[in-house]
Amino acid sequence: AQTVTQSQPEMSVQEAETVTLSCTYDTSENNYYLFWYKQPPSRQMILVIRQEAYKQQNATENRFSVNFQKAAKSFSLKISDSQLGDTAMYFCAFMKPNDYKLSFGAGTTVTVRA
Amino acid sequence: DAGVTQSPTHLIKTRGQQVTLRCSPKSGHDTVSWYQQALGQGPQFIFQYYEEEERQRGNFPDRFSGHQFPNYSSELNVNALWLGDSALYLCASSLSVLAGVAKNIQYFGAGTRLSVL
Repeated sequence: AQTVTQSQPEMSVQEAETVTLSCTYDTSENNYYLFWYKQPPSRQMILVIRQEAYKQQNATENRFSVNFQKAAKSFSLKISDSQLGDTAMYFCAFMKPNDYKLSFGAGTTVTVRA
Repeated sequence: DAGVTQSPTHLIKTRGQQVTLRCSPKSGHDTVSWYQQALGQGPQFIFQYYEEEERQRGNFPDRFSGHQFPNYSSELNVNALWLGDSALYLCASSLSVLAGVAKNIQYFGAGTRLSVL
């Protein structure tokens, strides 16, 4: 079974600053998919960014970028120029290529301060 | 473009009762997955439906069952409710005909908050 670990239960960041969320995972697979989802108080899980393990280039989506270290099984998320609307719970998730389920970490609550 | 919709948004039941939750997938999607999210935790995979059949199941008892209809909408049924079933139930849809990571992107609804008293 795959396990996903998010070691930071809560993070606080000043508006316009940068925050980095950590995620590590355990797998024996060589190819897989990694995701970061955001869950605001509205409860709807929103996809932030995704990464395919066989691609060495780190994914970037506007102010969101990842640092994917395959050998270390690490997949951190960097939020640049933080905005008040970034306040949410952030979940790291893992999926095997021929599997159908997402395995989620416990989440990190991010609070952006004005 | 309608996203994933779930109903009802909130539900209160008592122990031993049965409950049915409903999900309409994002327009054009053919696959529906269900997750249980306990308070303060990450979602846990319950099962996934494709072509009206359960394709994969997580570590949940048989009290949890589902159905997918020809229009791809889905229901989650939970029998003999107990206090530990209190959670946010999330539905996610995806499109199986896509390849690679696109196939595996799941779009979530806002969930149904179930409280068992």
